[in-house]
Amino acid sequence: SQKIEQNSEALNIQEGKTATLTCNYTNYSPAYLQWYRQDPGRGPVFLLLIRENEKEKRKERLKVTFDTTLKQSLFHITASQPADSATYLCALPPRPGGYNKLIFGAGTRLAVHP
Amino acid sequence: EPEVTQTPSHQVTQMGQEVILRCVPISNHLYFYWYRQILGQKVEFLVSFYNNEISEKSEIFDDQFSVERPDGSNFTLKIRSTKLEDSAMYFCASSEGSGVQFFGPGTRLTVL
Repeated sequence: SQKIEQNSEALNIQEGKTATLTCNYTNYSPAYLQWYRQDPGRGPVFLLLIRENEKEKRKERLKVTFDTTLKQSLFHITASQPADSATYLCALPPRPGGYNKLIFGAGTRLAVHP
Repeated sequence: EPEVTQTPSHQVTQMGQEVILRCVPISNHLYFYWYRQILGQKVEFLVSFYNNEISEKSEIFDDQFSVERPDGSNFTLKIRSTKLEDSAMYFCASSEGSGVQFFGPGTRLTVL
C-alpha cells in the first residue's frame, strides 16, 4: 500500500528565508498530490494541487514541485513570515487515478522565527 | 467564501453512549467524507459518501459507525456505542469531484 514520508522533525527558519518541505511516497505515482496546512486544533486547509504531468505549480509565495522519477514532492514557501508557522501535510489518493479518499502524511511542523 | 461547518465543536460523552456529529458541506459539492485525527497522529480516512450511499470505508469504520445525509444539506456521523479509543478530532470534508477536499473545523470527541 502507498506510504507517505514527511520529515517528522520540526523545521525552524528565520523570517524572510525560504522554507522547503519534502514529501516522499513509496509506491506507484499518484494522479495528483496535494499540500494542506493545519493549525493546532483545526482542520486541514487546502493549499495546492499538482498533477502527475506538471513539474511545478505556484501560488503567490508558495511553490510545489513533483518528480515522479524520485517519487517526491517539494513544497517551498518564499519570504517566510511568522504567520506561516503551522504543520504542512502532504496528501494523495491511494490508487493510481483515484479521486476518492486521500491518505495523509504525518506532516512537517514549520516554525518561522522573527 | 463557502465553507464546511461542523457542530458541536467539542463533545464529551461517557463510554458506551451514542454520539452524532454533524456537518454541513459546501452546497454544490457532491462528495462527502469523514476523517479522524487522534491527538499527535495522522489524519485518517473513515468513509466517503456519494449519491446517497457509502462509496468507500476504512477498516476503522466498523458496525458501530454510520453516516447519513438526512435532508440534502446535513451530513452526519453516528457512533453507536463509543469507546475510549474513539476520542479524537473528527473532520468532515466535501469535494466537487476535482480531488481537492475542503475540510471543516472539526469536532473534538472526548470519551470518558
